[in-house]
Amino acid sequence: GESVGLHLPTLSVQEGDNSIINCAYSNSASDYFIWYKQESGKGPQFIIDIRSNMDKRQGQRVTVLLNKTVKHLSLQIAATQPGDSAVYFCAENVSNTGKLIFGQGTTLQVKP
Amino acid sequence: NAGVTQTPKFQVLKTGQSMTLQCAQDMNHEYMSWYRQDPGMGLRLIHYSVGAGITDQGEVPNGYNVSRSTTEDFPLRLLSAAPSQTSVYFCASSPNTGELFFGEGSRLTVL
Repeated sequence: GESVGLHLPTLSVQEGDNSIINCAYSNSASDYFIWYKQESGKGPQFIIDIRSNMDKRQGQRVTVLLNKTVKHLSLQIAATQPGDSAVYFCAENVSNTGKLIFGQGTTLQVKP
Repeated sequence: NAGVTQTPKFQVLKTGQSMTLQCAQDMNHEYMSWYRQDPGMGLRLIHYSVGAGITDQGEVPNGYNVSRSTTEDFPLRLLSAAPSQTSVYFCASSPNTGELFFGEGSRLTVL
């Protein structure tokens, strides 16, 4: 069945450094991918998305890269700040199913 | 703006009791869904709805029922609660099947 996974459960970075969070997915039929940020005690919040006809999309301080050949997705955060500390989830939308499937999450810890 | 509103925020049940988690959105979104989140795991899809009168099963539907009589509301029913249903439940809505807007969550403990 489909699955979305993240390579590392925890990532620790120094404030000001760049962060890269990785995600692997298995369903070739997925056509839309989203990154969410979840702070403690809150619901997930949308960060950035990318469709399968693109390989890169940039937002404010964040970039998502999609490599369909190896079914890999990454989230890059530039100049990581303490406020970026949270759990980050990737999610895939399996085409024509209405389902958005989440990975297990990576906890980003930002050291001052 | 209210967005997605879930009630209650906290609930303790005994095994075998029933209850309904309420979810309402005021954004006129067609798509709504329920997820559960357990420690060390991502969000798992329970049920979803692409519009009023239409519901479908997600990854972990057993033990849960849903209905969608209006665009605004998407309640999740536990008919006979079990300890394995102890979790944090999130309701979400979307104008399509893309970006989801989440509620703040409902923490359920089943003793």
